[in-house]
This record gives sequence, structure tokens and C-alpha cells, in this order.
Amino acid sequence: AQSVAQPEDQVNVAEGNPLTVKCTYSVSGNPYLFWYVQYPNRGLQFLLKYITGDNLVKGSYGFEAEFNKSQTSFHLKKPSALVSDSALYFCAVRDGRSGNTPLVFGKGTRLSVIA
Amino acid sequence: KAGVTQTPRYLIKTRGQQVTLSCSPISGHRSVSWYQQTPGQGLQFLFEYFSETQRNKGNFPGRFSGRQFSNSRSEMNVSTLELGDSALYLCASSPNPSPDLNEQFFGPGTRLTVL
Repeated sequence: AQSVAQPEDQVNVAEGNPLTVKCTYSVSGNPYLFWYVQYPNRGLQFLLKYITGDNLVKGSYGFEAEFNKSQTSFHLKKPSALVSDSALYFCAVRDGRSGNTPLVFGKGTRLSVIA
Repeated sequence: KAGVTQTPRYLIKTRGQQVTLSCSPISGHRSVSWYQQTPGQGLQFLFEYFSETQRNKGNFPGRFSGRQFSNSRSEMNVSTLELGDSALYLCASSPNPSPDLNEQFFGPGTRLTVL
């Protein structure tokens, strides 16, 4: 069975500093990995995905994530945090080996960027 | 192109009642998935529909059911409501359910409160 772990419930970062939101995963086959962001009273918005290819994936709003197969991780990063980045972030995985498995989400990490 | 719409946005019910939530996917999208979001459990997958057929079902009791219509609109029903069913119910659509997906597009959710 596939699973995702986001080890931090909360991450606090000062504006202008780099940020990292951690994610590790477990799947039997090839992982298809996603990051989503949720702003208050809104649905989830897609940020980026890794399916295959370059391990460094660039996404929306200046975010990027690095796929690390040996560490089974897909951490979300941004070089310089903005106050407007404060939101709830979800990592998700799907097993690419099977054509019939749902997307499994982590429990989310709340990012607070302090001015 | 209009996004995913969900109705109603807010709902208050009492224990024992039943509720029906509606989701209209993005035009042309044929896959619809439903998720339950709670602070303690994060996002949990309920079910996925494609071309009026349920492709996947999460680990929820039979009180939770859904269906999809020929125009791809979907409904989910929860019968005999319990306090623990209070949650944000999110609907997501994608063009098709292939594993190397296009990302899912989420609606704003329906906030269900069970008293």
C-alpha cells in the first residue's frame, strides 16, 4: 500500500529566508508525486508534480521540489519565502505501476511565514 | 473555463439525517474524486468515478456512497449522519484517471457540520 508522511505539522520561517516542507513516501512501484497548497476557505491548488525525468521539479509561485529515490523523499522548497506563502501544504503520491490506485495525501504541513 | 464547483458550500445537519453533496467538474473532465478533510486525519480518499463507473473506493463505511451522471457531474450521499462526519468534503476532477495524471483540480469544498 502507498503512504505519505509529512513529519512536521507546522513550519515557521522568516520572510526572505529559504523554506523547506518535508515529505517522504512509500510505494511498491514508481512514485508519481505531487504537492498541493490550500489557502483558508479554499480548495487545494496544484503546485508541482514529479512523474519521471529530472529530479528537480519547478512549479508555481517559485516553488520547487527534489525527488530523492534513495531517501524516498520529495521535499518542497523555495529560496525566499513570502508572507503570502503562509498556507497548508499537502504532499501526495500515486503508485505509477498500477493504473487503478487513488492519490494518497499526507496530513499536511502548515507553513507560517513571519514578516 | 469554469473551475470545479461544489454545492452547497456550507451545510448543517443533525445526527441521523442524510445529506447529498454535488460536484460539477471542469468541462471536458470525466474523472471525479471525492475526499474528506478533517484536522486530525488530513485528506482521506472517499471514491473516484470515471464515465459513471466507480473505479476506486476508500476505506469508509457503506453510509458513504456516490454516483456520477452522464454529464460527469457527481453526487455523494452520507446517510445516518454521525458527529464524526463533520468535515470539509472536497471534490476534484481531471480529464482522465490515468496514473501519470494530469493533476487533479479541486473545488472549494462543502463544509458539513453535524450537530
